[in-house]
Amino acid sequence: QLQLQESGPGLVKPSETLSLTCTVSGGSISSSSYYWGWIRQPPGKGLEWIGSIYYSGSTYYNPPLKSRVTISVDTSKNQFSLKLSSVTAADTAVYYCTRMGGGPAAPSFYWGQGTLLTVSS
Amino acid sequence: DIQMTQSPSSLSASVGDRVTITCRASQSISSYLNWYQQKPGKAPNVLIYAASSLQSGVPSRFSGSGSGTDFTLTISSLQPEDFATYYCQQSYSTPITFGQGTRLEIK
Repeated sequence: QLQLQESGPGLVKPSETLSLTCTVSGGSISSSSYYWGWIRQPPGKGLEWIGSIYYSGSTYYNPPLKSRVTISVDTSKNQFSLKLSSVTAADTAVYYCTRMGGGPAAPSFYWGQGTLLTVSS
Repeated sequence: DIQMTQSPSSLSASVGDRVTITCRASQSISSYLNWYQQKPGKAPNVLIYAASSLQSGVPSRFSGSGSGTDFTLTISSLQPEDFATYYCQQSYSTPITFGQGTRLEIK
């Protein structure tokens, strides 16, 4: 049974860099069949795609966030990570990691439980 | 970017009702359209992918149709556990975009 688990600080100060990690269990992040993604949801609002990564390291980012986002993969740890720099209150959201289908825009069939990240001083 | 517009934004219905939610893309996306259900405090769950393919384990009362720019999600007979928020998502190209959501409430 594939499981994804987000981990991170929970609270970040404005202008700092947010760092989240997704640990994958029950399957290999190095599978050639899947992409891996990050999606966020501000409290009470809709879903926003942040970006996707392939195990080889190929990345795809949402243009409004592209200048601040880095997604990376660590196949040795079966993890992938999200860094978002220069955060503001607008970055307060539940962040989800997902396993997608076979393309950078594919549906997300597996989701982590989500982690709430609050940006506040 | 491809804009996704869902309607209605909210809907009140009763158990046993037939419900339809629509999603329109700002350009043709062929059949690259997915539907998710989200319950409060939970991650979304894919119901339908590729416009009309039912995800494994999803009850057959859920169905999807459409291609090009216009799509529908139909719940044939609402059950108590179906009251949730529903999102469409295009997977035709990056950036992936979602509809704004449809909140389905109990009448």
